[in-house]
Parts: sequence; structure tokens; C-alpha cells
Amino acid sequence: EVHLVESGGGLVQPGGSLRLSCAASGFTFSSYWMDWVRQAPGKGLVWVSRINTAGSSTYYADSVKGRFTISRDNAKNTLYLQMNSLRAEDTAVYYCAKEGAHWNEIDYWGQGALVTVSS
Amino acid sequence: DIQMTQSPSPLFASVGDRVTITCRASQTIGTYLNWYQQKPGKAPNLLIYASSSSHSGVPSRFSGSGSGTDFTLTISSLQPEDFATYYCQQGFNTPLTFGGGTKVEIK
Repeated sequence: EVHLVESGGGLVQPGGSLRLSCAASGFTFSSYWMDWVRQAPGKGLVWVSRINTAGSSTYYADSVKGRFTISRDNAKNTLYLQMNSLRAEDTAVYYCAKEGAHWNEIDYWGQGALVTVSS
Repeated sequence: DIQMTQSPSPLFASVGDRVTITCRASQTIGTYLNWYQQKPGKAPNLLIYASSSSHSGVPSRFSGSGSGTDFTLTISSLQPEDFATYYCQQGFNTPLTFGGGTKVEIK
């Protein structure tokens, strides 16, 4: 059974940094692209970032480009999101997400980690 | 970026109703269209991928169709557990983009 468990969320001041981690199990982590998707309180789903299987190619939403960095450690079955220069508008639940094999669908989601940016 | 537009929202329906949700892409995406269900306080769940293929374990009352720019999600007979918010998502290119969501509410 696929499990994705996020950690590292919390309250941070504007301009601060936070690193989210996602521990994966139940599948061959190194064989799948992974994503981060966020959801602001009461709002819809917004894609944030994705990374290929080897970690050599990364992609970002314009709203986080230059501030967030996605990475992965295939030996540890763990996905990361380093978030710097955080803004109030980054406040959201951040979901770790596994992509499927062929259609860029997200077939499994973590439970989410709440990040609150406030002074 | 490809914009995804869902309608209607909200959608009011009763148990047993046949429900159809529409998703339109701002440019052609073939069949790179996926549907998700989300309940309050929970992570989304994949229902349909590649426009019409059902994810493992999804009840047969959920079906999807369409290609190019116009897609539909149909619930053949709405059940109490189906009251939720539904999102479409295009997987044609990056950035992956989601529709704004359709909340299915009790009439």
C-alpha cells in the first residue's frame, strides 16, 4: 500500500524558511516523478513543483520560482521542498504527491502539511 | 499556461440523481485529463485518468469522457458519500493546472 507522509510544516514569519519532507513507502520511489501541490484555506488545488525520477530535472510554478527548491533522496525514499523568502500568500496545506505512469495524473497524495506564514 | 474551467459550481443535486460536471481546457490537451474528488479536511483522491480510465477501487458509477478541449465527469446515481468537491487537472504539459473545482451539494 502506498503511503506518503509529510512533515516539517508549521508557523513561520514572512521572509523566513521552512523545509518540508515526504517519506514514501509501498512503491518503488525511484521509478516515479513526484510533485508538491498546495491548497490555501478555502481555496482550490494549485500545483507547485515536480521532479523527475533521478532528480536531475525540476519544474516550478511561476509564483514560487527562485524561492522554492524541490529535491529527492532515492536512497532514503524521501521528497523535499525547501521554501525560502516565504510570503503570507504561501500559507496553505502542502501535499506531497506521486505521479502515475503515463498521463501525469497524481495517483496518490499525502495527508498534507500546513504551512502558515504570519508575523 | 493551460487554463482549466469547470462548470457548474456549485452543483445542487439529490441522492439518486445523474450528475454531470464539465471541464474545458484553454487549448487542446488530447486525453491528458484527470479527475479528483476531495472531501473537507482530506487529501484529494484520483477518480479518472486519461479522460476515461478509472483509478483502482473507484466505483463504477463514476465515468469520464471527452478529448481535445471539452471533458465531462458523470456520476450515474449520486450516493450520500459523493457530496464533495471535484477537480479536473490537465497533464498535457507543465505547469500542471487544475480547474477551480465543482462543489456538489445537497439540494
